[in-house]
Amino acid sequence: DIQMTQSPASLSASLGETVSIECLASEDIYSNLAWYQQKPGKSPQLLIYYASSLQDGVPSRFSGSESGTQYSLEINSLQPEDEGDYFCQQSYKFPLTFGSGTKLEIK
Amino acid sequence: QIQLVQSGPELKKPGESVKISCKASGYTFTDYAMHWVKQAPGKGLKWMGWINTYTGKPTYADDFKGRFVFSLEASASTANLQISNLKNEDTATYFCARRMYTTDYSDYFDYWGQGVMVTVSS
Repeated sequence: DIQMTQSPASLSASLGETVSIECLASEDIYSNLAWYQQKPGKSPQLLIYYASSLQDGVPSRFSGSESGTQYSLEINSLQPEDEGDYFCQQSYKFPLTFGSGTKLEIK
Repeated sequence: QIQLVQSGPELKKPGESVKISCKASGYTFTDYAMHWVKQAPGKGLKWMGWINTYTGKPTYADDFKGRFVFSLEASASTANLQISNLKNEDTATYFCARRMYTTDYSDYFDYWGQGVMVTVSS
């Protein structure tokens, strides 16, 4: 199975700041990666797919990038509504696997 | 608008069975695959498998072979998940999730059900 190592496990940042969340794939997944946001008690919402494609309706302050097997989600100009959990997911090979998640707190 | 509406929370005893439904609306049900994802309390997401809503063929992740069954009521635009011989470790929220349209059938999930909390306790 492809392991997705996500970091950090948690982070705290202030309004207006920029943060980055990383996922390292255990093998090449050829840009087949998505990012989801999940708020407490809610279902996940798709933010980014194909590593850098922005899902319809998602604010442009969210962006995705990659370098080799390392994938990043960057959130610019943090807003209060960005607080929540973030997960990466590889779609290259079954079984589909998720990162362990990052809890983002807005100070 | 597109919606996936799941059935309500369940409280079961070990050894019992449970059936969870996921009713789709706002799109042609058979045009989009449906996946199932488990989230244990306070934990991350675990992919369980998927069902081809056109053919009805299910595919299970290794950890979900045996006691888990995906099925369809296509005429009702509904996907179901049945878990038999429930164990304490099945306590979790179970989500259905629609695979979004992509030209290469990549498995990204653009719509999710609200989740069903299944509690297994004696």
